[in-house]
Parts: sequence; structure tokens; C-alpha cells
Amino acid sequence: DGGITQSPKYLFRKEGQNVTLSCEQNLNHDAMYWYRQDPGQGLRLIYYSQIVNDFQKGDIAEGYSVSREKKESFPLTVTSAQKNPTAFYLCASSIDRAASYTFGSGTRLTVV
Amino acid sequence: GQNIDQPTEMTATEGAIVQINCTYQTSGFNGLFWYQQHAGEAPTFLSYNVLDGLEEKGRFSSFLSRSKGYSYLLLKELQMKDSASYLCAVSLRNDYKLSFGAGTTVTVRA
Repeated sequence: DGGITQSPKYLFRKEGQNVTLSCEQNLNHDAMYWYRQDPGQGLRLIYYSQIVNDFQKGDIAEGYSVSREKKESFPLTVTSAQKNPTAFYLCASSIDRAASYTFGSGTRLTVV
Repeated sequence: GQNIDQPTEMTATEGAIVQINCTYQTSGFNGLFWYQQHAGEAPTFLSYNVLDGLEEKGRFSSFLSRSKGYSYLLLKELQMKDSASYLCAVSLRNDYKLSFGAGTTVTVRA
């Protein structure tokens, strides 16, 4: 079955450490996205990529980095520069503009 | 950016109807999505409106008025499993990304 996989589901890191969240899709979607969700808030866009080897900053890109070396993969690195990294991170993909997103199951990151 | 507003919380009784409103202010509007998100899980697609009017899909219906910048999601014959957060999201012309509202938490009581 086609889908989008995020791993791990739960992640704990010490303050000051970089951490990379995985996102893989086998839907053959060109576009991929990373959103952050905090309690009581909507989804805020971190980075997105419309095509391989290209990506753009979203509304809250500071302290994050991404790569898009393969169509299937869009990993997100949360760097030590991100001041408040504890959150629920959602990866999504879409086949093209104005198409519905398919979401991964999310990674809950806790920095202690 | 886009301003997307929806109520924070709503409570209703099992079997009743609830209407979740979403207003938006944006330029280059293309369409509006509704997603359902259960606590701790990923959002799932409910509906997509591009043209004015009502789209019905079983117990769920979604309405759009482009001129008023307004949409609503109507949930009929509420069931306990409908307790979730409902997210309104706007897409723009010539843009891939969606902008989301903060979500409306619906609690269904017996």
C-alpha cells in the first residue's frame, strides 16, 4: 500500500543536540512538506519542496534544515539553534498544486 | 499571509448537528480544505471546495462562499468517534502549500 512514513513516533533529545526526523513516501508525489503543531495551535509550515533538489522556507524555518536528494525522502533536521523544539512534527506530500495532502503519522519530539 | 479564523471549541450531543465556521482573508484564493484530526494522530482529508455551494458526503457536508471568504463544515448525526479537531486550510493559486487555521475541537457528549 502506498503511504507516507515518519519515524520515529516518539523522540527524546537533550538540549543542544541536533536531531533528524525521517519522512519517506512511496506515492510518487512531487511535493513534500514539514509542519509543526503545538498544543492549541494550527499547523505551521517549516519547509516545503516542490521537486527533487529544491526546497523553500516556510513561515518558521529558523533553526531547521532539510534536504531533498530523492523524490521519496524529505528529512528534517532540528538544530540546536531552534529555541523551542518540543512539538509534534507532521510530514505531508501532495501530487501537485491544490491537491489534498497525505500526512504521515507524525513524530513527537521532546527536548529535555 | 492569510488570516484563517475558526472557533476554538464546540460541544454537542450525540445524534445532533454541529456547524463549524471558517473565515479567511487572502489574495489569490484557490480552494478550501477540511481535515479531521484525532488527538495525537495525523490529519485526514474530509472535503475540498473550489466553487461556491454545498458539497455533501454522507454525514459530512462542506459549504463555500468565495465572495464572503466563508466556509463551514456541517456534521450531522454526531457520533462519539466524531470527537476530534477539525482543521480548515486554504490553498492559493500558483502555490503548493496550504495555510491552516488553528483548528476547532469538537467534543461529542452522550
